[in-house]
Amino acid sequence: QSVLTQPPSVSAAPGQRVTISCSGGSSNIGNNYVSWYQQLPGAAPRLLIYDKNNRPSGISDRFSASKSGTSATLDITGLQIGDEADYFCGAWDTSLTAMVFGGGTKVTVL
Amino acid sequence: QVHLVESGGGVVQPGRSLRLSCAATGFTFSGSAMHWVRRAPGKGLEWLAVTWYDGNKKYYADSVKGRFAISRDNSKNTLYLQMDSLRVEDTAVYYCARDRSWLGYYGVDVWGQGTSVTVSS
Repeated sequence: QSVLTQPPSVSAAPGQRVTISCSGGSSNIGNNYVSWYQQLPGAAPRLLIYDKNNRPSGISDRFSASKSGTSATLDITGLQIGDEADYFCGAWDTSLTAMVFGGGTKVTVL
Repeated sequence: QVHLVESGGGVVQPGRSLRLSCAATGFTFSGSAMHWVRRAPGKGLEWLAVTWYDGNKKYYADSVKGRFAISRDNSKNTLYLQMDSLRVEDTAVYYCARDRSWLGYYGVDVWGQGTSVTVSS
């Protein structure tokens, strides 16, 4: 059971938009930075979004994120076949003194 | 260019030990907190441990507390994970990762390619 809660899977057609939610609490999302990671099949995870909505160099602006209270959301617009991957949210948890991740959401492009 | 390269994985019997290493290049290693994270087959990412930039503070996940030890040698730009009393459920790909801060609270921004550990009799 993950501390952060994500839907196990989402799917949409190419060109469409998907939204992935990440629900936590005041000790993690509510008071710490949230990051989003993408893990393509057979590859290492990579950082997609950090803090409120910052993208590292090289990450497409089709990826965006937001945070409200103890929940965060990742949006992927203009969905592409290459976006099929597992997506994870993560944050530091002050009460647990640990980094916590969501269980991951598998994105499928129909 | 920032690079993290893990090594030391392999096949080991339950109850035995293994030490993973992570060589860092392309950034000031001594200025960054470092994490170990794993992903078991069919499971999600699981955070294991973090060490502050200077090694003076370390935190562990409950699942590995008392069995795993994170350490670093800033003179060698290398991170380590000593894994003792290994269990079948420790089978996973292990990643070292850099935090965006020197204390480990901001989140990971760089990941290594991972090293595979299989615990089996």
